[in-house]
Amino acid sequence: DTEVTQTPKHLVMGMTNKKSLKCEQHMGHRAMYWYKQKAKKPPELMFVYSYEKLSINESVPSRFSPECPNSSLLNLHLHALQPEDSALYLCASSQWQGYEQYFGPGTRLTVT
Amino acid sequence: DQQVKQNSPSLSVQEGRISILNCDYTNSMFDYFLWYKKYPAEGPTFLISISSIKDKNEDGRFTVFLNKSAKHLSLHIVPSQPGDSAVYFCAASALQGGSEKLVFGKGTKLTVNP
Repeated sequence: DTEVTQTPKHLVMGMTNKKSLKCEQHMGHRAMYWYKQKAKKPPELMFVYSYEKLSINESVPSRFSPECPNSSLLNLHLHALQPEDSALYLCASSQWQGYEQYFGPGTRLTVT
Repeated sequence: DQQVKQNSPSLSVQEGRISILNCDYTNSMFDYFLWYKKYPAEGPTFLISISSIKDKNEDGRFTVFLNKSAKHLSLHIVPSQPGDSAVYFCAASALQGGSEKLVFGKGTKLTVNP
């Protein structure tokens, strides 16, 4: 099973809303990642969790707040987003950091 | 500073022929390289990887070649199929350097014509 699942698939939110993106994997991977991808661009790393601890924060604005409740789950809490935050948000996991990452299908986020 | 470069934004190939996708890198600390395939509105799918101790890795129709002296890698798809039409991303990491990050190229859009 090499599946990473993400919910919801699509999300439309206003600039004053609070929402959360969820990611789950059951491959026993110990590293999990959040990426943002804009159209025709490569994935852009946001956060890395390793063994449930935040390992990397790529200077992401505080309106994005990650959380790793356990080794299988990764959340991204969203608050007071801007229209330019509209993008495809991808979750990925890997056995250990730096090795092949398996991506979920993404959440298409639109901020109105 | 683009550390991983895919200089061809697009490539068009006839079905059954070979597709060759190229990637160059500048960071000599990179020691692990990967190729991902991405369909629109989906997450990238891992295809194949290669460690810097090798110069070739093969998996079915996909072969990755690594030329460390030229800091160049390529992905060969033989034979190409219409279902291979997608955007292909090259990525690199520096495992020995303890880097947890994958650095992606900008991608090459492959179109395989029937």
